[in-house]
Amino acid sequence: GQNIDQPTEMTATEGAIVQINCTYQTSGFNGLFWYQQHAGEAPTFLSYNVLDGLEEKGRFSSFLSRSKGYSYLLLKELQMKDSASYLCAVRDNYGGATNKLIFGTGTLLAVQP
Amino acid sequence: DTEVTQTPKHLVMGMTNKKSLKCEQHMGHRAMYWYKQKAKKPPELMFVYSYEKLSINESVPSRFSPECPNSSLLNLHLHALQPEDSALYLCASSQTTQGSQPQHFGDGTRLSIL
Repeated sequence: GQNIDQPTEMTATEGAIVQINCTYQTSGFNGLFWYQQHAGEAPTFLSYNVLDGLEEKGRFSSFLSRSKGYSYLLLKELQMKDSASYLCAVRDNYGGATNKLIFGTGTLLAVQP
Repeated sequence: DTEVTQTPKHLVMGMTNKKSLKCEQHMGHRAMYWYKQKAKKPPELMFVYSYEKLSINESVPSRFSPECPNSSLLNLHLHALQPEDSALYLCASSQTTQGSQPQHFGDGTRLSIL
């Protein structure tokens, strides 16, 4: 079966660091994406991991361990505008022909002054 | 602003109406997607088009009918919808369905069924 878990909500303080975890169990794996979605807006792409390790992109970093079915998104120097929902999504091989994206439940992050 | 354009932004329709949602991208992407998103829930995949051919239908009811007239356009035709179909409908595109290319999402159409 397909299962992608994230914490439902998190709260952090402006200027701090926050780590959002994602665990997954999927029938196939062909990469993991993190998206940010502000209320009423489109999801926007943040990062992609297909090999184990850390990918860094400015204030955002994402880590993947395929053997553990685990990823995290690290946000540094938090800003108020980082308050949003963060979606973990696994690209699953759909019968070998077409990959499809399976989204986790999403984590609503609230950044407080 | 996103590079995937969806129209209309809002749509209110009765259960007997027929309407269409439109999606357009000019990034040369050959994969396009329709998702449904309910409030405080993640997007749920409905359809995938690859090179203008339907490659995935996630057991979506026939009252939703997708169409891909060309590589830049994706439509979703709606007929006899139910109140539970009220949601945000998101279109996305990617270079292909393979590899590391991310999907780029439009701002969505917020659909309300009366």
